[in-house]
Amino acid sequence: EAGVAQSPRYKIIEKRQSVAFWCNPISGHATLYWYQQILGQGPKLLIQFQNNGVVDDSQLPKDRFSAERLKGVDSTLKIQPAKLEDSAVYLCASSPRRPGGHYTEAFFGQGTRLTVV
Amino acid sequence: QQQVKQSPQSLIVQKGGISIINCAYENTAFDYFPWYQQFPGKGPALLIAIRPDVSEKKEGRFTISFNKSAKQFSLHIMDSQPGDSATYFCAAPFTPNAGGTSYGKLTFGQGTILTVHP
Repeated sequence: EAGVAQSPRYKIIEKRQSVAFWCNPISGHATLYWYQQILGQGPKLLIQFQNNGVVDDSQLPKDRFSAERLKGVDSTLKIQPAKLEDSAVYLCASSPRRPGGHYTEAFFGQGTRLTVV
Repeated sequence: QQQVKQSPQSLIVQKGGISIINCAYENTAFDYFPWYQQFPGKGPALLIAIRPDVSEKKEGRFTISFNKSAKQFSLHIMDSQPGDSATYFCAAPFTPNAGGTSYGKLTFGQGTILTVHP
């Protein structure tokens, strides 16, 4: 079974520029997450999709971050304009939906390491 | 935002020793407690998980001990090996107030960097 695919693996941009990350979840997984992992910290959820609808984006800095999930499959996360503090690894994860809404394991991609200079 | 507090931040053990990492949580509605292992340049991967209806779960050299009354759970790695050197995260899924259904949004601890010397 193919895992969660993310691209690019690395990205270096100057502050105030824009950047986009792409994620292809595991086939059939209804739930997709974007996490931000700052060096030395645990991942922090930015946004969660259920199929193509947003379930939770309470921690997404909406003035600069946006995300969409096309046709309930692939997803893109965009930052515009980027700030120095956005330097982090952006992780995409997906999980299958279990009846009753109980938690199911999240499978993570390798992440995109963003450096803002 | 519910918190999960993890300790220690770093841990060094000798090959063959026991590694112990602890986590404390606040939300009593959490119903699933996973540990994730992360190697450099990789995403976190589920190592082992426990539900609160049991006090211990063992998978090979890895054991989770769960203390519901104290709201704590810990990871024990027996016979630690150099290949176990990684960052370990405890986590818990956030349970929304309405409906009590866990949507799977994970709250992670700060992480423990484990180094096993040969």
